[in-house]
Amino acid sequence: DVRLVESGGGLVQPGGSRRLSCVGSGLTFSDHYMGWVRQAPGKGLEWLGRIRNKANGYITDYAASLKGRFVISRDDSKSSLYLQMNSLETEDTAVYFCAGVFKSQYLDHWGQGTLVTVSS
Amino acid sequence: QSVLTQPPSVSSAPGQKVTISCSGSSSNIGSNFVAWYQQVPGTAPKLLIYDNNKRPSGVPDRISGSKSGTSATLVITGLQTGDEADYYCGAWDRTLSVVVFGGGTKLTVL
Repeated sequence: DVRLVESGGGLVQPGGSRRLSCVGSGLTFSDHYMGWVRQAPGKGLEWLGRIRNKANGYITDYAASLKGRFVISRDDSKSSLYLQMNSLETEDTAVYFCAGVFKSQYLDHWGQGTLVTVSS
Repeated sequence: QSVLTQPPSVSSAPGQKVTISCSGSSSNIGSNFVAWYQQVPGTAPKLLIYDNNKRPSGVPDRISGSKSGTSATLVITGLQTGDEADYYCGAWDRTLSVVVFGGGTKLTVL
């Protein structure tokens, strides 16, 4: 079975930074595009961005609303995906999910999510 | 304010049928395929439908999707109490260059 496990969530002060990690198993991680989605408390899903696989140049793209504050990276040798979040705002409080991206846009495997709370 | 528009809630009885609509524009649904996700509260979403009407392995055929113009529809027949969840539509938006989602529809099986 495919398993994605996020870590790194917690309480962060406004203006601070946080790095989330996601480790995959049960899939050929290096072949997959990977992405991040978040869900604010009681709200809907928000696509943050994705990173392509090596064959497609590890190209990343992001939601414009992030204003360049977030960076997605990966380490295929560790089957790991990362989300570096900077200049965090209270509005960034959410559960952050990593997901496998199928056919460039479909999220076919999801982690359990990790909660990031931005508060003073 | 979500880019795609869904009804906040729908309800129906066990064994019955329910439809959930998703309305977009020419830059998303009108020019790209649609997906549907099911999310039981407190858990991660699950992909139900992709490419408008295809089901991943393990999704029962009582769940179906369709698209017409700038709108899409999810249909669930033979409703079960286990179908109670939030349902989200999603599509690539060629103007925003991101996947956009609907605000979600809460399905209650009465």
